[in-house]
Amino acid sequence: DQQVKQNSPSLSVQEGRISILNCDYTNSMFDYFLWYKKYPAEGPTFLISISSIKDKNEDGRFTVFLNKSAKHLSLHIVPSQPGDSAVYFCAASARYGGSQGNLIFGKGTKLSVKP
Amino acid sequence: ETGVTQTPRHLVMGMTNKKSLKCEQHLGHNAMYWYKQSAKKPLELMFVYSLEERVENNSVPSRFSPECPNSSHLFLHLHTLQPEDSALYLCASSQEIWDYGYTFGSGTRLTVV
Repeated sequence: DQQVKQNSPSLSVQEGRISILNCDYTNSMFDYFLWYKKYPAEGPTFLISISSIKDKNEDGRFTVFLNKSAKHLSLHIVPSQPGDSAVYFCAASARYGGSQGNLIFGKGTKLSVKP
Repeated sequence: ETGVTQTPRHLVMGMTNKKSLKCEQHLGHNAMYWYKQSAKKPLELMFVYSLEERVENNSVPSRFSPECPNSSHLFLHLHTLQPEDSALYLCASSQEIWDYGYTFGSGTRLTVV
């Protein structure tokens, strides 16, 4: 059973608009969350992270929101650019609360930003 | 060369073959990881090494055998694989273990025939 779910396999957005990528998790022990971006024929690259003690983290055009009660996080990209077109992976870890530190990944959402 | 380099980029092997995947990092990182990404599945952690010692084996079949001769190199030795082992194998490194800003390689696309 998947502990990290990205229910939208794909998302298409117009350039300049906001992209919102969603992620849900089931394990209440998760206390650290990350987003990775992957271009074709390349490995994933770390984008942004958030600890469970915060509900928002911002880095330039990228903002991650965490709603612990709903076990939901989202990545907002504003404004979206064609170069943002990639697959975005959500990942979670029980960094301090669990016995394992490994990241649990979602299946990814493919974002297409149209000019 | 910088970053994490994986070779080969593509590999086709028969079920009776023995092959090895190689990963090299020049970042001075102390932890290295092997991940598997099968079609329509999330990335799955296979093995973790910290300072050349294996610290995690995520219930991986013995037909996959990792080796970490030093902190810059990581190998995945393959033998008697099954077609369902066909996947993208990704290597990653981080400064310390579970330091999540991983640097990933581009992966080896493995096809078992």
